[in-house]
Amino acid sequence: GEDVEQSLFLSVREGDSSVINCTYTDSSSTYLYWYKQEPGAGLQLLTYIFSNMDMKQDQRLTVLLNKKDKHLSLRIADTQTGDSAIYFCAEIDSNYQLIWGAGTKLIIKP
Amino acid sequence: GAVVSQHPSRVICKSGTSVKIECRSLDFQATTMFWYRQFPKQSLMLMATSNEGSKATYEQGVEKDKFLINHASLTLSTLTVTSAHPEDSSFYICSANILRTSGPYEQYFGPGTRLTVT
Repeated sequence: GEDVEQSLFLSVREGDSSVINCTYTDSSSTYLYWYKQEPGAGLQLLTYIFSNMDMKQDQRLTVLLNKKDKHLSLRIADTQTGDSAIYFCAEIDSNYQLIWGAGTKLIIKP
Repeated sequence: GAVVSQHPSRVICKSGTSVKIECRSLDFQATTMFWYRQFPKQSLMLMATSNEGSKATYEQGVEKDKFLINHASLTLSTLTVTSAHPEDSSFYICSANILRTSGPYEQYFGPGTRLTVT
């Protein structure tokens, strides 16, 4: 079945860029998503990218999609303490269900 | 826009009792609502998908008689955990998708309900 994989942790210094990576298996996914979950809270849709795009930029966020390698990344420029959260990558399957990665916990060092 | 609320945010109940969790889309109509369960430090597990006016579709391994889902309207779905056991303690999150004629399929999530069964 479809699978989405992410590393579990990323630690960066405040002010540096964070790059969170994700690989997926379903090449027919039309959209891929990044969600953010702060401690004890629900999920917030951060951004998404259509599968025929290579890159999408939204303020401090840049999403890169390599469809050939089925690799998705989320870059957060000038990482701040408020960016501390778990970031989930998700793809959508043919039944319009989201297939989730395990989440990457972003840790910000002062 | 696209706000989903859940009530209650936290609930503690005794074993054997039932608990109802409400999920509302506040400013949009949702064709479909989803119920997820999240264990500590783990990803989300889809429990069931519900469409307004029809029976929910449960994922494999989820007991439909234990987790009752009622999707009464395009803005309200409820999850009732019946005869709760301590192993039902978890973070329950609902989401709703937006009716669109074009553009991306988007799911918006509620803030979650922390259930503790003692």
